[in-house]
Amino acid sequence: DAGVIQSPRHEVTEMGQEVTLRCKPISGHNSLFWYRQTMMRGLELLIYFNNNVPIDDSGMPEDRFSAKMPNASFSTLKIQPSEPRDSAVYFCASSYGLIGTDTQYFGPGTRLTVL
Amino acid sequence: GENVEQHPSTLSVQEGDSAVIKCTYSDSASNYFPWYKQELGKRPQLIIDIRSNVGEKKDQRIAVTLNKTAKHFSLHITETQPEDSAVYFCAANNAGKSTFGDGTTLTVKP
Repeated sequence: DAGVIQSPRHEVTEMGQEVTLRCKPISGHNSLFWYRQTMMRGLELLIYFNNNVPIDDSGMPEDRFSAKMPNASFSTLKIQPSEPRDSAVYFCASSYGLIGTDTQYFGPGTRLTVL
Repeated sequence: GENVEQHPSTLSVQEGDSAVIKCTYSDSASNYFPWYKQELGKRPQLIIDIRSNVGEKKDQRIAVTLNKTAKHFSLHITETQPEDSAVYFCAANNAGKSTFGDGTTLTVKP
């Protein structure tokens, strides 16, 4: 298994631009999670999906952030417009089984820099 | 919501010594407690986890204990090696929502 795949691995953009991060979960997994990691705030859960349905998006910082999961093998996290404070590493993770009781496997992350 | 506190924030030990990292959580509904190891520039990787119906779990040099009454759980690493140096995160999970501790930077000196 290739594991969780994220793209791009690095993204540098200018303030105001739209950024789209992509994630392919492990085949067969039915839960997908988006996290953001910064030195100041640590590792934060932004949103998670179960069977392609958003379950909890209370961690999404503001309306500039949106996430979709159109099918079981693909999810996107979009920031529009981006701001310098959005600079962080964004991780996608997936798991199988009942929500909350199974191991989450993290992708390699996307390092986002907003200038 | 859930609040997870992790201590210490940094820990330095000599190779061969034991290391203990402690976490407390606030939501009694949390029922799954994973521990992750993250090396610099890498993704968090699960090293051990424990569910609320278990008090202790061991995997070679790593063990985790859970006290549900007191709402705390701990990671124990014995016979530490330099390759154990990393940042370790605890998490408390309730219905899929994971709340992470702030991390412990473990340094194992050869």
